[in-house]
Parts: sequence; C-alpha cells; structure tokens
Amino acid sequence: QKEVEQDPGPLSVPEGAIVSLNCTYSNSAFQYFMWYRQYSRKGPELLMYTYSSGNKEDGRFTAQVDKSSKYISLFIRDSQPSDSATYLCAMSGHYGGSQGNLIFGKGTKLSVKP
Amino acid sequence: DGGITQSPKYLFRKEGQNVTLSCEQNLNHDAMYWYRQDPGQGLRLIYYSQIVNDFQKGDIAEGYSVSREKKESFPLTVTSAQKNPTAFYLCASSIGLLGPGSSYEQYFGPGTRLTVT
Repeated sequence: QKEVEQDPGPLSVPEGAIVSLNCTYSNSAFQYFMWYRQYSRKGPELLMYTYSSGNKEDGRFTAQVDKSSKYISLFIRDSQPSDSATYLCAMSGHYGGSQGNLIFGKGTKLSVKP
Repeated sequence: DGGITQSPKYLFRKEGQNVTLSCEQNLNHDAMYWYRQDPGQGLRLIYYSQIVNDFQKGDIAEGYSVSREKKESFPLTVTSAQKNPTAFYLCASSIGLLGPGSSYEQYFGPGTRLTVT
C-alpha cells in the first residue's frame, strides 16, 4: 500500500458545481496536510495548510482532515473554469530529518467546463 | 518580489552530457528541495538541504548531485549516470524544519523541463 493515495481523475464538472477532491494515507504519524494547485507546465502553488484534524476554510476552498479515517478532502464551491488544474495533496509527520519531508499524492486533474 | 526562480525554463541536452539546473530563492528560507515530476508519478524527492553546506539524499538521488554553498542557491546537476533524465524538475523552499517557526509549507519555483536525446 502506498503512503498516499489520490485518484488521478480526470474529473470534469460544470461551472458552479461543488468539487470534492480526496486523498487517503496509511501513516498515522502524519499531522501536517497540504493542498497544492498546479496549472499545466507550472510549479505547484500552496492552497491550504492544515495541522491535525478539523476543517479550514479560505474563500471558496475548504480543507478537511479526518485522522481517524486517514482521509483528507478539499472542497471547491462555485467552481470556475480558472480552477481547472491538477490538485496535489501532501502530508508530513514530526519535523526533523527525513520525517519532515512532504509525501505527495499523484494529483487529480480537474476540468471545470463553462 | 520574493520568490523562487529556476532557469532555464526549457533545457535540451545530448545523452552523456552533464547538465546543471539553477534554483535561487530570496525568501530567506533555510530549507530547499529538488523534485522530479513525471506523468502519472507525482513528485519525487531527489535531494534536500536544511542548512547551508549540508544536504541529504531523497528517494531518487542516484545520478544527481547538488551543492548548497549559499543560503539562496541550490543547484542540481543531472549527470550522465542518470538513466532517464528527461523530466520536469521542480525546486522548492521552506522556512525550515529545525527550531522555532519551522514550517512544512513548501513554495515552488516555475520548474525546468529537461529533454535529453
């Protein structure tokens, strides 16, 4: 079992839809969870950063972490064509040495149709 | 403007040649990273450095080398020993992993697409 699993999609939705993107993980030591957005041929940009369990909201984006289920989600409300990108989840455990490095999912490609 | 720059954006080399990819940051970050991204593979860590003059191998370091002589710079050399060098290379930095204020938030550069023929 890979440490981080993420459905690669592609996921296609109409403009205005609510999008749900998910990752599962196997390492119970992970405590830091991030979502990155990557446009084609560009570097990833950090969208959301969550520590431990719970929800975090930023505009149209909501990140959820359920450590008991080892499951994280990113919700996009009122999706826009400009949200079309690949979304990568990333996570890490306690800091120090290699344990502090991020483990990335493979990314989900999202397309929002006008 | 603070950020991470990578150059060049596109790089073409003949097989058997070493090539060095540049990465510079002016964010005053202690930690820097190199990743490789292939279609369907996600990001894989090549090397990372938590402080000047120190660096560690990541998951796929074979065929690569790095140096960290300055806080702002972390160049990556793709050597002729790397069997499949054609890929999209991403440099990232973070505040650091040691001490107060340390952070896991990594910020990425725009990437260099290397093609070796």
